[in-house]
Amino acid sequence: DAGVIQSPRHEVTEMGQEVTLRCKPISGHDYLFWYRQTMMRGLELLIYFNNNVPIDDSGMPEDRFSAKMPNASFSTLKIQPSEPRDSAVYFCASSGGKGEKLFFGSGTQLSVL
Amino acid sequence: GESVGLHLPTLSVQEGDNSIINCAYSNSASDYFIWYKQESGKGPQFIIDIRSNMDKRQGQRVTVLLNKTVKHLSLQIAATQPGDSAVYFCSGTGFQKLVFGTGTRLLVSP
Repeated sequence: DAGVIQSPRHEVTEMGQEVTLRCKPISGHDYLFWYRQTMMRGLELLIYFNNNVPIDDSGMPEDRFSAKMPNASFSTLKIQPSEPRDSAVYFCASSGGKGEKLFFGSGTQLSVL
Repeated sequence: GESVGLHLPTLSVQEGDNSIINCAYSNSASDYFIWYKQESGKGPQFIIDIRSNMDKRQGQRVTVLLNKTVKHLSLQIAATQPGDSAVYFCSGTGFQKLVFGTGTRLLVSP
């Protein structure tokens, strides 16, 4: 298996622009997670899905952030409009069951200028 | 609410020494714990896990110890190598969502 695949690997954009991050989980995994990592706050859970349904989005910073999972093999995290404080590494992870270990993608390094 | 935190942000060791990374948790309902290793430019990767019905589990050069009485777990790395240099996270389950701390950076010098 190729593991969790994220794209793009790097994204540089200007403040106010829309940003879309993409994730393909490991085939057969029922859970998908979006995390944000910064030096100050570490790894923060933004939202997670179970069987394509959002279960907990309490970590989503504000309405500028939205996430979707239209099918079992694809998810997006969208920021609109983006702000400099959104600059971080965004990770997608999947797991095969509730409470099981996570498999992380390589992340998307987002820089908002 | 639940929280998982790390005692030390950075740990520096000499190559060949043993390393111990500590982690505290607050939710006594946590029943499964995982250690992850994150190398520079990569996502966290699973190292070893332990369930609450155990107090020790060993892998290759790594051992996880769980003390449920004081809600503490540790990761021990034997004969630390330069390739062990990374940020280490502990994570706990047993509740709705996985929680990570900021991590402990392990620096291994030759």
